[in-house]
Formats: sequence, C-alpha cells, structure tokens
Amino acid sequence: QQPVQSPQAVILREGEDAVINCSSSKALYSVHWYRQKHGEAPVFLMILLKGGEQKGHEKISASFNEKKQQSSLYLTASQLSYSGTYFCGTEYSGAGSYQLTFGKGTKLSVIP
Amino acid sequence: ETGVTQTPRHLVMGMTNKKSLKCEQHLGHNAMYWYKQSAKKPLELMFVYSLEERVENNSVPSRFSPECPNSSHLFLHLHTLQPEDSALYLCASSQEGRGLAGGDEQFFGPGTRLTVL
Repeated sequence: QQPVQSPQAVILREGEDAVINCSSSKALYSVHWYRQKHGEAPVFLMILLKGGEQKGHEKISASFNEKKQQSSLYLTASQLSYSGTYFCGTEYSGAGSYQLTFGKGTKLSVIP
Repeated sequence: ETGVTQTPRHLVMGMTNKKSLKCEQHLGHNAMYWYKQSAKKPLELMFVYSLEERVENNSVPSRFSPECPNSSHLFLHLHTLQPEDSALYLCASSQEGRGLAGGDEQFFGPGTRLTVL
C-alpha cells in the first residue's frame, strides 16, 4: 500500500521554506526520501528509521512521527537546485525484506 | 565508470521483439533492484536480487525476465511486451540488501526509456 504525499506540487521563491509530508496507514519501519530531477535518476536524501536514527543530507532535515506513521521533509532557504520531484519510500514493519513502496511524488519548483 | 550505469538509455521495440536491458554497479554492493517508473505513477519495484539470488518478485508479468549473473550485473530480458509497458526502467543497488532496506540507501542508475510500439 503506497504512502500518500502532500502537497502534490509546490512553487517557491528562492529563500523560502517548504514542508513535504508522507503518510502511511500502516506501521512504518523506515522512511526514505529521494529527489529526482527531470531526465535524471532519483538521488538519495535521507533515511529515517523507527527509533529515531537518521542518515542523510546536511542541508535537508526530516522528521518521523511513529505514532502518526508520518514523515515530513523540511527544505529551508530553498535554492534553485532544490527543484525536482521528491519521493518518499516506506518500509513496513513485518513486511518482509527489501521492499520500498514509493509515493507519487511532490513536484517542487523554485523560482528566482 | 562509477556508480550505477544502464544501457541502452533509450529503446524502441515492437511487440514481437526480444531485447535486454543491462545494469552494472561499480559500488561493490550486494543487492540490486529493477523499478518501473510510468508517467503519473509511483516508482514500482519489480525485482530484487541479493547476492545474486532473487528475493522479491512483485507479481511482474512473465514477459519480464530478470537475470543476475553476479553481484555487479543485472539484466532485464524483455519479450512480447505491450504498449502499456512503455516506461522508464530504473536499476538501483544498495550495500547489503539483507532484511529490511532501512539501513541502506539505494543508488539509482539513469534509467532506460522504453517505448513499445
């Protein structure tokens, strides 16, 4: 069951902040965040694990609310290079190995 | 070459053709993945291999046949595809692949843009 991302799209001016949310109806083990620019491969941003461990990007932060089964990605002081589609991928507790289920993505456009 | 490479980058094939997609990772990883990315749909996991052994097959039609001869190479053999199979096919790799993927980021290749006529 795929996670639900919101918003579907957002337009920012340089320097503005944004929050992208990822929600699941099932108990999560981890949440992965990736960014994909048009015509390019998805690039890893962040992993958040149940229990609070994080692995990720220096300039991007995220949270993982285990009770709400929700993760949020925080983009602060946005730059033009932040433009792209952001995907969250979720792993479910007890789902078995290897499987990431991705949301439909949030398209972020940063304009000058 | 570094990272994850895929060939060809673009492929046009007829419904009766047989073709293969190739993926190679130069990262020393143990797990490799095939994903399908269609317009307006989420990334869909197709196959997972860990240490050359298939560990996941997400109900993918038999017209897609994966092969993993070693931990660095992954193929996707295609035959008698349908127009709805047109999509971007992405290969990815991760360090371990055992158990949940929670500990491992996935490194994606640039993808093969497949068009089925």
